[in-house]
Amino acid sequence: QKEVEQDPGPLSVPEGAIVSLNCTYSNSAFQYFMWYRQYSRKGPELLMYTYSSGNKEDGRFTAQVDKSSKYISLFIRDSQPSDSATYLCAMTTSGTYKYIFGTGTRLKVLA
Amino acid sequence: KAGVTQTPRYLIKTRGQQVTLSCSPISGHRSVSWYQQTPGQGLQFLFEYFSETQRNKGNFPGRFSGRQFSNSRSEMNVSTLELGDSALYLCASSLGDRVTDTQYFGPGTRLTVL
Repeated sequence: QKEVEQDPGPLSVPEGAIVSLNCTYSNSAFQYFMWYRQYSRKGPELLMYTYSSGNKEDGRFTAQVDKSSKYISLFIRDSQPSDSATYLCAMTTSGTYKYIFGTGTRLKVLA
Repeated sequence: KAGVTQTPRYLIKTRGQQVTLSCSPISGHRSVSWYQQTPGQGLQFLFEYFSETQRNKGNFPGRFSGRQFSNSRSEMNVSTLELGDSALYLCASSLGDRVTDTQYFGPGTRLTVL
């Protein structure tokens, strides 16, 4: 079993839809949770990070962490065709720089 | 500010050969991490260097090695290449002072092993 599980998709949604992307994990020591976006033929870029449990909002993006369920989510409101990309979750424990990534979910927003 | 650069962008090698990949971090960044990305396994952590010292290591065989120079540039070496080493190799740089320091990824080097 992988430490971090993520549905690979692809996920196709119409423009304007609310998108929900999720990851589950098994290591209860994970404290920092991140979401990256990766466009085709590019390296990943950080969207958001959260520490421990709770929500964090940044524009159209909201990240949620539920440590009791070992489950994290990224919500995208009013999705745009430019949001079409692969979304990767990543996490790490306190004090280490070893980041564990999910395999990524491919998202396609249809105009 | 210039981003993270990786050279070469594409490489084709045959089994048994060795390869060296290069990563130039963003100016001022002292941490460089290396990842292997494949469709089946996703992004897997190889190792991280900070101020010329390997600070963290993933679960890859000893054929995968790296180093960092005093100017923070980093190289990754893979010896005795296997078909399964075909992947996108990404490096990421950060300030490296805190776990939450943003990692900035380069565009990657696409390695194909024939």
